[in-house]
Amino acid sequence: DAGVIQSPRHEVTEMGQEVTLRCKPISGHDYLFWYRQTMMRGLELLIYFNNNVPIDDSGMPEDRFSAKMPNASFSTLKIQPSEPRDSAVYFCASSPIGYTEAFFGQGTRLTVV
Amino acid sequence: KQEVTQIPAALSVPEGENLVLNCSFTDSAIYNLQWFRQDPGKGLTSLLLIQSSQREQTSGRLNASLDKSSGRSTLYIAASQPGDSATYLCAVRRMNRDDKIIFGKGTRLHILP
Repeated sequence: DAGVIQSPRHEVTEMGQEVTLRCKPISGHDYLFWYRQTMMRGLELLIYFNNNVPIDDSGMPEDRFSAKMPNASFSTLKIQPSEPRDSAVYFCASSPIGYTEAFFGQGTRLTVV
Repeated sequence: KQEVTQIPAALSVPEGENLVLNCSFTDSAIYNLQWFRQDPGKGLTSLLLIQSSQREQTSGRLNASLDKSSGRSTLYIAASQPGDSATYLCAVRRMNRDDKIIFGKGTRLHILP
């Protein structure tokens, strides 16, 4: 398997624009996690899914953020409208079941100007 | 609420020295603890996974220990090399209430040639 695949790797957008980040988890993994990493706050869990169902979205900072997982092989994280303070690296991770390791994608570096 | 703390935030040591990185967590109800390495601008690479029933795991020059009752883990690096310079993150996977993976803020390690 190619691992967790995220796209795009880099995204530069203007404030107010919609941004969509994409993630393809490892085939057969039941869990999918979205994280945001900043220097100040480190890695923050935004939302996670189990079998395509959102389990906990308490980390989503505002209503401007939304995430979907329409099937087991694809998830999106959308920010609408984007703001400069959303600039960060966004990581997606997947894992098979609750007591096994998590595998991370390479991240999407988002810059909102 | 699970909190994960890594001390120190940064560490510089001469090449060849053995060193220990520390991780502490507040809630002992965990499935496992995972150590990651992150190079600047890159994703997370899993180094070691310790299940809650285990005391330690080894991979090459790396040894990770877990004392669940006291909420502590250490990552021991033997005979450090300049290539070990990176940020090291620990993460715990919660159990009972949810399967969240909670990260510490990391220790930035610099090995001096």
